[in-house]
Amino acid sequence: NAGVTQTPKFRVLKTGQSMTLLCAQDMNHEYMYWYRQDPGMGLRLIHYSVGEGTTAKGEVPDGYNVSRLKKQNFLLGLESAAPSQTSVYFCASSPLVGQKKDTQYFGPGTRLTVL
Amino acid sequence: GQQVMQIPQYQHVQEGEDFTTYCNSSTTLSNIQWYKQRPGGHPVFLIQLVKSGEVKKQKRLTFQFGEAKKNSSLHITATQTTDVGTYFCAGSSSNDYKLSFGAGTTVTVRA
Repeated sequence: NAGVTQTPKFRVLKTGQSMTLLCAQDMNHEYMYWYRQDPGMGLRLIHYSVGEGTTAKGEVPDGYNVSRLKKQNFLLGLESAAPSQTSVYFCASSPLVGQKKDTQYFGPGTRLTVL
Repeated sequence: GQQVMQIPQYQHVQEGEDFTTYCNSSTTLSNIQWYKQRPGGHPVFLIQLVKSGEVKKQKRLTFQFGEAKKNSSLHITATQTTDVGTYFCAGSSSNDYKLSFGAGTTVTVRA
């Protein structure tokens, strides 16, 4: 199992450009999450999904959109990138039931720089 | 909304010494989790505490959940260079599958 994978690993954008970050998990997890990590601020939840076809806003959703058309994939979109969106983005997934319920499994991250 | 505060933000430790990092929530938690992130890496799950007053050990790491389920601590004994990284606590409330992460404690070790 690959676990949680993210593409791309690095990206540099100019202000106003758009892009999509892809997260994929092969663990058949129901829940998926997108976080951003900034120095001294821990992990902040952007959007999350409790199942295929459903998404919800997290703590810092402005400027981002998400889609979960397939259970294994969770896409994070930036329609018009801003320098304030320079960050490391982590995707995570967690199972609905079982011994490790609520445990989140993180992808390797995407380092995004917006100039 | 739920807030999780974590102190200290930085911990510089001499190899072989002990240290503790603390986590406090503004609300009662249903469970608390701890994650470790190595430099340049991603957060990795360490442990979950669910019961009031629960204490769990993983080798040199001791995790504790407060009686009121609003605070937690991680104590590391005889720190080693392999303990370098950032330790995050993360809590969730009842019926809420979202985690609120603390800002993390970044640990550096002097050999």
